[in-house]
Amino acid sequence: DSGVTQTPKHLITATGQRVTLRCSPRSGDLSVYWYQQSLDQGLQFLIQYYNGEERAKGNILERFSAQQFPDLHSELNLSSLELGDSALYFCASSGGTRGNIQYFGAGTRLSVL
Amino acid sequence: EDKVVQSPLSLVVHEGDTVTLNCSYEVTNFRSLLWYKQEKKAPTFLFMLTSSGIEKKSGRLSSILDKKELFSILNITATQTGDSAIYLCAVGLDSNYQLIWGAGTKLIIKP
Repeated sequence: DSGVTQTPKHLITATGQRVTLRCSPRSGDLSVYWYQQSLDQGLQFLIQYYNGEERAKGNILERFSAQQFPDLHSELNLSSLELGDSALYFCASSGGTRGNIQYFGAGTRLSVL
Repeated sequence: EDKVVQSPLSLVVHEGDTVTLNCSYEVTNFRSLLWYKQEKKAPTFLFMLTSSGIEKKSGRLSSILDKKELFSILNITATQTGDSAIYLCAVGLDSNYQLIWGAGTKLIIKP
C-alpha cells in the first residue's frame, strides 16, 4: 500500500459529461501529481500542485482542471469528455526527505462511452 | 527540451536469463534517476540513484548510474515470470521535484 488513496476506482460515463477524480496524498506529502495513461501508452504528466499552489503543468487539456485543497487532497476535473479521454488516471505524491520519489495511488480507470 | 530514452522498448527472454535495461537522459538541473516497475496497476518504486558508480541492489535487481555519460542500467538476474512488467525510468529535476519519464521497457519472461 503506497499510502496514496484515489477514488473512485472505476468510472463509466458518456461523452460530453463531467467527472471529478479525487486523491489523498501520503501523510506529510505536500506535492501531488496527476498523470494520464492510455492503453499501452506511457505516463503522461498532467499537472503538479505543491501545498495548494500549481507548480508545473504538462500536457493538460483546457477541458481538464485540478486543484489542491488546504487539507492537501486534490481533485482532477475532466469536462466535455470525449472517447479519447478513456484512460487510467494516476495520482502520485512526494515530499519531505524522500526528494523526487513519487508514490502512486491505484488509479482511476475512466471509460467514456 | 528535457528527455529520457529507454531501450529496448520491449524484450522477451526465458526464465533464468539475465537482462539489462537501459536509460539515457538529457535534462537540465539533474537531481536523481529513479526506476519503477509497473505491472497491471500503478508504478511501484524500485530505486533512486543520485551518485555515479554506486550500485543499488535489492535481491536480484540492481542499478547503477553514470552521470558523466548520462545513463543508467537496471539489471535483473535469474529472471522469473513474476518479473514480467513494464520498467519505467524517470529523472528527477532539481527545480520543482517533477519527474521526466521514459516510455518504458516492456519485459516478458517466458517460462
